Amino acid sequence: DQQVKQNSPSLSVQEGRISILNCDYTNSMFDYFLWYKKYPAEGPTFLISISSIKDKNEDGRFTVFLNKSAKHLSLHIVPSQPGDSAVYFCAASESFSSSNTGKLIFGQGTTLQVKP
Amino acid sequence: DSGVTQTPKHLITATGQRVTLRCSPRSGDLSVYWYQQSLDQGLQFLIQYYNGEERAKGNILERFSAQQFPDLHSELNLSSLELGDSALYFCASSVVDGGEQFFGPGTRLTVL
Repeated sequence: DQQVKQNSPSLSVQEGRISILNCDYTNSMFDYFLWYKKYPAEGPTFLISISSIKDKNEDGRFTVFLNKSAKHLSLHIVPSQPGDSAVYFCAASESFSSSNTGKLIFGQGTTLQVKP
Repeated sequence: DSGVTQTPKHLITATGQRVTLRCSPRSGDLSVYWYQQSLDQGLQFLIQYYNGEERAKGNILERFSAQQFPDLHSELNLSSLELGDSALYFCASSVVDGGEQFFGPGTRLTVL
C-alpha cells in the first residue's frame, strides 16, 4: 500500500523555467510533509517542509503548496537551474504521539533534469 | 555535509553472511532512523531508536536487528543475507521525534 505517491518518475525543464513536482498521499492522518533532494552517491538532503495548518511555504526559489482536500502537494522551483538536477523525494509523517514517532513515509521519487 | 556519518560506504558479501552497518548521528541528536532503498524504490522505514531505546518498527525483517549505544551511535545488523537484501541503507537523525531528519551518505550493500 503506497501511502505517498509520486506519479511522474521523471521531469525535464529548461533552465530558467519553473519546475513543478507533484506528490499525492492517501493517509489523512499525515500532517507534516517534506521534500528531499538526492544526488547520486549521497544521502537525501532536506529542502523544505510544510505543516498541515498551512497551504504554502516558501524558501527562496522553492515553494511547497499543500491541498489537503485533494491530498496533494507540489514543489515549485523558480527559476530552475542545472544544479537542481537530482532526484526529489516527497515524504510525510503523522503527528508525534506515543504510537507515531516521526518516521517518514517516502514517495518513489521524481528525477528532475534541468537543461542549460 | 549533514553531520551524520555512516560506515562502511560499500559492502560486498555473500548470501548467508552477516554484516553490521554503523551510523553516528549529528551531535546532539537523540533519534536515529534506518531506511532501506532498493533499486528504483523510495526509502522504506526500517526502525527507529531514541536515546538508546527502540521507538518504532517498520517493515524490518526478523533477520535484521538494530541497537543504539550510550554514545548514541547505532548499528544495523543484517544476518542470513539474501540477494534481495542488496540495497542502499540510510541512517538519519533528528533532535527529537518528528520534524526534519538529516541523512547520512548511506551504505551500499551488495549480496552476491
